[in-house]
Formats: sequence, C-alpha cells, structure tokens
Amino acid sequence: EDQVTQSPEALRLQEGESSSLNCSYTVSGLRGLFWYRQDPGKGPEFLFTLYSAGEEKEKERLKATLTKKESFLHITAPKPEDSATYLCAVQAYSNTGKLIFGQGTTLQVKP
Amino acid sequence: DGGITQSPKYLFRKEGQNVTLSCEQNLNHDAMYWYRQDPGQGLRLIYYSQIVNDFQKGDIAEGYSVSREKKESFPLTVTSAQKNPTAFYLCASSIDEQRYGYTFGSGTRLTVV
Repeated sequence: EDQVTQSPEALRLQEGESSSLNCSYTVSGLRGLFWYRQDPGKGPEFLFTLYSAGEEKEKERLKATLTKKESFLHITAPKPEDSATYLCAVQAYSNTGKLIFGQGTTLQVKP
Repeated sequence: DGGITQSPKYLFRKEGQNVTLSCEQNLNHDAMYWYRQDPGQGLRLIYYSQIVNDFQKGDIAEGYSVSREKKESFPLTVTSAQKNPTAFYLCASSIDEQRYGYTFGSGTRLTVV
C-alpha cells in the first residue's frame, strides 16, 4: 500500500535556527513527490515537485531533497513568516489520478 | 485573477440533511479533486474528475456524491449517509500537476449541529 509519513508532527524553532522536516514514503513506482505549504484555515500552496533520487530544489529559505525512501525539506535561517504546516505527497505511476498526502509537520518560528 | 472559489466558507448541517459544497475554477484546468482534511490526518481523496461528465471514487467516497457537468464546476454533496461529516473540505484542480502541482481553493469547514 502506498503510504507517506511525516516527522516530526510539530516543530518549534527560534528565528534563524535552521532545521529539517522529514517525509518517508513507500510507493509502487514514484512518479513524483510534492511539497506544499498550508496556512491555518487556507488551502495548501504548491512548493516543489521532485522526480528522482538525488534531485534538489530550492525556493528562498527552503530546499527539498529526495532519496529512494525519503525527502527532506531543509529550512535555512527561518523567519516567523515561515510558520505554517508543511505537507508532503506522492504520486504513483500505478495511479496517476491522485496524490497521497502525509499528515503534515506544523512549524512555528518564534522571533 | 484565475483561481478556485469554494463556497460557503463555513457550513452547518443538521442530522439527516444533505448539503452541497460549491467549487468553481476559471483556470481552464481539466482535472478537479475533492479532499477531506481532519486534524492530525493527511488529506484524503473523496472523488476526482479528469474530464467533463466523468469522475472516479477516491479512498473515502462513501456518503458523498459529485457531478461534473461543466469544466469549471465540481460540486460535492455530503449526504445523510456520511456518518462523520464534520471536517475541512478542500477542492483542487490541475492541468499538469507534476510541473505546477494542484491549485487548491480556500476550503469549506463543515460542522454537524
């Protein structure tokens, strides 16, 4: 069964304190791994798609990496405005009609 | 501006009532999706449609129904058969989800009273 597990569930950082969020997955043929950001009471916002092991993508203070079993979202020198829930999702070649989401990591960055 | 509009933002349902959540997009996207989000759980797929007049069940379709009569619209009906409907409902659309991901609406929070 295709599955996505994110850790930790919640993370508190001081402004400027870098850290990483983890997304472990099992999928029968990975077509793509996606990262989204979700603010409270709003819909998720697309950040990145990663396709193959070794790939990296960056956007401002965020960098996403991918291995054959997991993805990391590295946050460098975070600011309070980076506070949000970060969602990871996978898409399998066997079922391109849907994304399977993890439960998310809620990040709080304190000034 | 192009986007997805979900309405209403908040909805209250009495026991035994059917309610319909609206989802409209002006992005000219072919595919549309309905997800349910509960605290501490990932988004779970209810229904999806990749083309007008066609849709497929997702992982938790029981107690829900949809229609796709127009490209722009994908309404979701929560029927009385759905025993635990209180949740945050998200509609999304995509044209090339690998390059651009899904575009999500702002959600409808449904509460049973």
